[in-house]
Amino acid sequence: EVQLVQSGAEVKKPGESLKISCKGSGYSFTSYWIGWVRQMPGKGLEWMGIIYPGDSDTRYSPSFQGQVTISADKSISTAYLQWSSLKASDTAMYYCARLGCSGGSCYNYFDYWGQGTLVTVSS
Amino acid sequence: EIVLTQSPGTLSLSPGERATLSCRASQSVSSSYLAWYQQKPGQAPRLLIYGASSRATGIPDRFSGSGSGTDFTLTISRLEPEDFAVYYCQQYGSSPLTFGPGTKVDIK
Repeated sequence: EVQLVQSGAEVKKPGESLKISCKGSGYSFTSYWIGWVRQMPGKGLEWMGIIYPGDSDTRYSPSFQGQVTISADKSISTAYLQWSSLKASDTAMYYCARLGCSGGSCYNYFDYWGQGTLVTVSS
Repeated sequence: EIVLTQSPGTLSLSPGERATLSCRASQSVSSSYLAWYQQKPGQAPRLLIYGASSRATGIPDRFSGSGSGTDFTLTISRLEPEDFAVYYCQQYGSSPLTFGPGTKVDIK
């Protein structure tokens, strides 16, 4: 069974750093892209970026380029999303999700999702 | 960037009724790379449809997708109580990947 298990909720102050995680299991972690999606309170879904754990090839949405860092440690089947200096506007639910494949090719839709990590940034 | 517009914003229907949700793109979505997701309160989104019309694993056949180019539709043939949720479309034909703002299907 494919599973993506994310780290727990975080409460941080503005200016602090943070790294949240997403551990994959039940499939070949190095063979599928993993993406991160933000959902601000009461709002819709926003694509942040994707990483291919096999070689750490990473792509960012222009809206998030330079604001966050996406990484992965394939030895422990885990992807990460990190901030060096949080802002109140980073308060949101963050989801990791696997990009889907069909017919031997892979595409940029999300077929399995983590449960989400709630990040609250408040002074 | 491809902007997706979903209509209506809210759809109020009764169980057993048919739901028709629209997703319109600001420019043509290449190769019909359009997906639909369902999200219930407090839950992660769930993939329903990819490639505009292919049902994801385990999705009941009351869910169907259609369309091409700039106009796409998600149809729920007969609403079950568990189908009341928010539905998002997403295009993955070009970068950046974008989502629509969502359609809420609630109980009339």
